[in-house]
Amino acid sequence: AQTVTQSQPEMSVQEAETVTLSCTYDTSESDYYLFWYKQPPSRQMILVIRQEAYKQQNATENRFSVNFQKAAKSFSLKISDSQLGDAAMYFCARNYGGSQGNLIFGKGTKLSVKP
Amino acid sequence: NAGVTQTPKFRILKIGQSMTLQCTQDMNHNYMYWYRQDPGMGLKLIYYSVGAGITDKGEVPNGYNVSRSTTEDFPLRLELAAPSQTSVYFCAIRQGGDNSPLHFGNGTRLTVT
Repeated sequence: AQTVTQSQPEMSVQEAETVTLSCTYDTSESDYYLFWYKQPPSRQMILVIRQEAYKQQNATENRFSVNFQKAAKSFSLKISDSQLGDAAMYFCARNYGGSQGNLIFGKGTKLSVKP
Repeated sequence: NAGVTQTPKFRILKIGQSMTLQCTQDMNHNYMYWYRQDPGMGLKLIYYSVGAGITDKGEVPNGYNVSRSTTEDFPLRLELAAPSQTSVYFCAIRQGGDNSPLHFGNGTRLTVT
């Protein structure tokens, strides 16, 4: 079965601190993509960052970075210098179905940011 | 939201009623998707389309139908609404080649009572 697992239903971080959200996945493919999406209360799905499985270098987008461990099938998201606007649901996702580009999502982690 | 427009934003249906959720894109992309998000859960794929005239089932297609007569429009049809279809529905497009990220519309919140 193809699954994406986010083991932390909720996380909390102090403003300006760093937090790491965990994600593990299952796949038999060697080439795939991984994504983190942010969903604020407005419910809009916003792409945060993506990682190509064949690239060993971890992706970085400003304050957001990933720790991609291919052998362990782990894909965690690190948010540095957390801001109040980072408070949201965060979803990890993996593509499947080859060129169809379908995504399978985890259940999400709710991140709270304390001032 | 990358030019993906969903209507309506909210809707309440009675059991057994039918409705169509509209999704329109203005960027001429071939790949379009319908997902549902149940409370406290991630998104699950209902149907997808790789181009006009071509549709295929996703993970949870039962109770839904789709059509893709034009590149721009990808409507989702509920024929006999059931409480289990209470959810937030997202339409998405893929903007680039294989493995490009999906870009989502703002969603439709549907309640079936």
